[in-house]
Amino acid sequence: EPEVTQTPSHQVTQMGQEVILRCVPISNHLYFYWYRQILGQKVEFLVSFYNNEISEKSEIFDDQFSVERPDGSNFTLKIRSTKLEDSAMYFCASSYGTPNTEAFFGQGTRLTVV
Amino acid sequence: AQSVAQPEDQVNVAEGNPLTVKCTYSVSGNPYLFWYVQYPNRGLQFLLKYITGDNLVKGSYGFEAEFNKSQTSFHLKKPSALVSDSALYFCAVSIYNQGGKLIFGQGTELSVKP
Repeated sequence: EPEVTQTPSHQVTQMGQEVILRCVPISNHLYFYWYRQILGQKVEFLVSFYNNEISEKSEIFDDQFSVERPDGSNFTLKIRSTKLEDSAMYFCASSYGTPNTEAFFGQGTRLTVV
Repeated sequence: AQSVAQPEDQVNVAEGNPLTVKCTYSVSGNPYLFWYVQYPNRGLQFLLKYITGDNLVKGSYGFEAEFNKSQTSFHLKKPSALVSDSALYFCAVSIYNQGGKLIFGQGTELSVKP
């Protein structure tokens, strides 16, 4: 069964450093997403991406964040200058359509900012 | 503002008994409703969805959910719980023309005891 894969599974970074989280969505999917889950809190939407551009973003997704689909298979989330409060589990997801098509999620990247 | 509420942080059920995990939503427009399950150290797995039509939808692993428009609810049910159903369950809603964004509830921990 096809799946969304994320690397790395765990990333520890110093405050102020740049970090890139990587995802390989399901190959025939057209919509790509990033969500995050701070420990003990809800899963929160960050951004959706379609046709090589952002289609929706949340208030959380400020200028420190960016997304890219560099090569037609990978989908990345970059945080330019990490803060302690960026520590969370980050989930990548993809779907074939929207809004009535289910999204498939990766296993997550746990980001720890120290 | 659009929101999803799962009023119970934890649900405890004996194996073989029926289970219900509650979800209510508040959105403008027609909702598309989803249930996801998260096992430890895994991503979110899609269980079932309501888009339109029959209010009772069936999904994976014997789960079903009932859409109730007047009560704005989408409760997850299973006639006979298994110990292996123990996990974290998330209700989510998607809205037309919002890039496929999912709004999640805070999650309900289901514990099924033998």
